[in-house]
Amino acid sequence: EPEVTQTPSHQVTQMGQEVILRCVPISNHLYFYWYRQILGQKVEFLVSFYNNEISEKSEIFDDQFSVERPDGSNFTLKIRSTKLEDSAMYFCASVPNTEAFFGQGTRLTVV
Amino acid sequence: KQEVTQIPAALSVPEGENLVLNCSFTDSAIYNLQWFRQDPGKGLTSLLLIQSSQREQTSGRLNASLDKSSGRSTLYIAASQPGDSATYLCAVVAGGTSYGKLTFGQGTILTVHP
Repeated sequence: EPEVTQTPSHQVTQMGQEVILRCVPISNHLYFYWYRQILGQKVEFLVSFYNNEISEKSEIFDDQFSVERPDGSNFTLKIRSTKLEDSAMYFCASVPNTEAFFGQGTRLTVV
Repeated sequence: KQEVTQIPAALSVPEGENLVLNCSFTDSAIYNLQWFRQDPGKGLTSLLLIQSSQREQTSGRLNASLDKSSGRSTLYIAASQPGDSATYLCAVVAGGTSYGKLTFGQGTILTVHP
């Protein structure tokens, strides 16, 4: 069964460094999303991506964040100059038409 | 702004019991509603998707209902098993210009003890 794949599963980075989180959505899905879950809190929407451009972004998704689909298959989330409060699980999701399919997440720890 | 609330926050039951998890949302203009399971430190596994035109959806021992007008959904788990222990998340799916965007509740932590 096709699945959404995220790499790495866990990343530790120093404050101020840049990180790139990678996702391979299910092929032929058209809509892509990034969410994050800070420990003990709700899963929060970050950004949606359709037709190779951002369709919506949340208040959290400021200039520190960017998304790309560099090669038609991978979908990346870049966080510039990481802060301690960026520590969270980051989930990628892809949607064919109605149902959302999530990856297993990347646990980002900023120290 | 859509707000999703789940009750109870935690539930502990003996094996074999039937149970109901509740989800409420403030804006009834939803596209779909989706229930997920999350094991500790893991990703989100989709359990059931209810489209806005549907009243309920069933998969095995799980049954989810949707009352869009009152802003409520329930997840019914029959004959619970220890392997059902996990966090259950309810998420409403937006339509229109926010198509596919999910707004999550905080989850219900379920523990089923033998």
